[in-house]
Amino acid sequence: RKEVEQDPGPFNVPEGATVAFNCTYSNSASQSFFWYRQDCRKEPKLLMSVYSSGNEDGRFTAQLNRASQYISLLIRDSKLSDSATYLCVAVTGANNLFFGTGTRLTVIP
Amino acid sequence: NAGVTQTPKFRVLKTGQSMTLLCAQDMNHEYMYWYRQDPGMGLRLIHYSVGEGTTAKGEVPDGYNVSRLKKQNFLLGLESAAPSQTSVYFCASSYSSWTYEQYFGPGTRLTVT
Repeated sequence: RKEVEQDPGPFNVPEGATVAFNCTYSNSASQSFFWYRQDCRKEPKLLMSVYSSGNEDGRFTAQLNRASQYISLLIRDSKLSDSATYLCVAVTGANNLFFGTGTRLTVIP
Repeated sequence: NAGVTQTPKFRVLKTGQSMTLLCAQDMNHEYMYWYRQDPGMGLRLIHYSVGEGTTAKGEVPDGYNVSRLKKQNFLLGLESAAPSQTSVYFCASSYSSWTYEQYFGPGTRLTVT
């Protein structure tokens, strides 16, 4: 079983739609979580950290569900510029950092 | 600030050849990492360093060596390249521990024939 699993997509949504991705992690001791964004043939960049209480940054909301061991990312009012691959990360400690394979999002005009 | 830079951007090697990938960061970060990214596999940690003069193995270290002689530089070496090492290699750095944001370099696309 993979440490971190994501639905690879692709998710094709119209502009203005709301879309949500989930990411499950296998190690219950994981303590830190992140969402990164990766554009085609570019490096990953941090989108947001995921806090236990959930957090919001503009149109983006991240949630953590420790009981079911998943994190989620909600994007409201999707823009064309949101088209990218979204990577989730779970960190358990030193040398225990795992990226998911990514979920590809395409926002359609 | 250049952030994290990687040299070279592209390289083609023949099986058995060696090469060194250079990563440099100007953010005074303690931690540095080397990843490889393959289709369907996601980013996998090869080696990492928690400070100048230290290195440690990640998830997929076989066939690679690293050195961190200076805080700002982290080198990844392939002693005898194999086709299985064809990948995109990313270097990253973070201010402190694993719980901090990682800043990535632009990547090196390596093909081993």
